[in-house]
Amino acid sequence: NAGVTQTPKFQVLKTGQSMTLQCAQDMNHNSMYWYRQDPGMGLRLIYYSASEGTTDKGEVPNGYNVSRLNKREFSLRLESAAPSQTSVYFCASSTRQGGNGNTIYFGEGSWLTVV
Amino acid sequence: AQSVAQPEDQVNVAEGNPLTVKCTYSVSGNPYLFWYVQYPNRGLQFLLKYITGDNLVKGSYGFEAEFNKSQTSFHLKKPSALVSDSALYFCAVRDGEVNNNDMRFGAGTRLTVKP
Repeated sequence: NAGVTQTPKFQVLKTGQSMTLQCAQDMNHNSMYWYRQDPGMGLRLIYYSASEGTTDKGEVPNGYNVSRLNKREFSLRLESAAPSQTSVYFCASSTRQGGNGNTIYFGEGSWLTVV
Repeated sequence: AQSVAQPEDQVNVAEGNPLTVKCTYSVSGNPYLFWYVQYPNRGLQFLLKYITGDNLVKGSYGFEAEFNKSQTSFHLKKPSALVSDSALYFCAVRDGEVNNNDMRFGAGTRLTVKP
């Protein structure tokens, strides 16, 4: 039961470098999400993709781009990393059935440090 | 936009005692409420949710939560705490009358159960 798989698990970047976080789900879910988790702030939505071919901004999209490559995969790109982007990043997915009542399932997280 | 407040950063209980982790919410339409648990260095795991129906919702690992519309609360409870329940707990809310994927999380409450 892989569920939601994200890579890499740990990454250290220098300010200004770029990188892409990869995410894949094997639950045939339509919707996928990227969140960041910071101490004392809970999880904040960066971007989401309601279905294949669509992406939308969440609460904190600045400095990030996303690509919904196909139904399974949703990547998050940092074009020019900044220390403020040091965080733990979570990919997640859900069905669209049941509307807003559907449950979101999370990956194990990616720890990103920007120095 | 909807929001969630978890008024306690930390909750400490003795093993075998009942536990309560508090959550209050604010939403324009109907609240869809969720509880998640996060163990160290792991992703969030779904515990339970309230969409409609019985105000008392039962979930995984013996946890339950009670929806109280008048107090806009959705407190997480367990009759007898275990040391293994020690983790970070997140409450989350969606607006059931808005057709989007916007789920807002609280800042989290760290539960410590002492032997």
